[in-house]
Amino acid sequence: SAVISQKPSRDICQRGTSLTIQCQVDSQVTMMFWYRQQPGQSLTLIATANQGSEATYESGFVIDKFPISRPNLTFSTLTVSNMSPEDSSIYLCSAEFRGRGNTIYFGEGSWLTVV
Amino acid sequence: GQQLNQSPQSMFIQEGEDVSMNCTSSSIFNTWLWYKQDPGEGPVLLIALYKAGELTSNGRLTAQFGITRKDSFLNISASIPSDVGIYFCAGQGGSQGNLIFGKGTKLSVKP
Repeated sequence: SAVISQKPSRDICQRGTSLTIQCQVDSQVTMMFWYRQQPGQSLTLIATANQGSEATYESGFVIDKFPISRPNLTFSTLTVSNMSPEDSSIYLCSAEFRGRGNTIYFGEGSWLTVV
Repeated sequence: GQQLNQSPQSMFIQEGEDVSMNCTSSSIFNTWLWYKQDPGEGPVLLIALYKAGELTSNGRLTAQFGITRKDSFLNISASIPSDVGIYFCAGQGGSQGNLIFGKGTKLSVKP
């Protein structure tokens, strides 16, 4: 299995502020993904982040709200901008590993509470 | 868009019982994955399925990828208290290779 580390694991944020979540993978990967999981819900894809190109956002998510960086093959960041209580969620980083088949692993998640 | 229908939504069983949950979709997926998520944690990969009809085991867990590539089941035999959690199915087949998740099955095990 792969090791995917996220920071911070938890944070309490003030309304109107922005927070950047970091994701570090223990090996080089081409494709990384950012998901949001609202309380009691399933996972929803925010965007796909490939190194060397702009992130691709899913419907309902925009770059101004969730800017993403992918500076190299082992690291990505997701910023949640101008936060409101509705942004309180777990934000999960994942990466695709290619072997016998393509497998996607997840980080431990970053639990954000906006007050 | 692509959607996965996962059932049951929740299960409350006695320790030692077998468990079965499944996912169906109207779309074809290339890969089917099953994850378990504990409270406050990220999803942990349990089993990955790559071929239609494939049956794969991981300890007490068994999963199968349907022949039509539109469904999968996960069985847990002889459940134990640490099996408690939320189990998610996920299909991979989007243009970006991203996963589409089911809504999860919440498993509770009574000692």
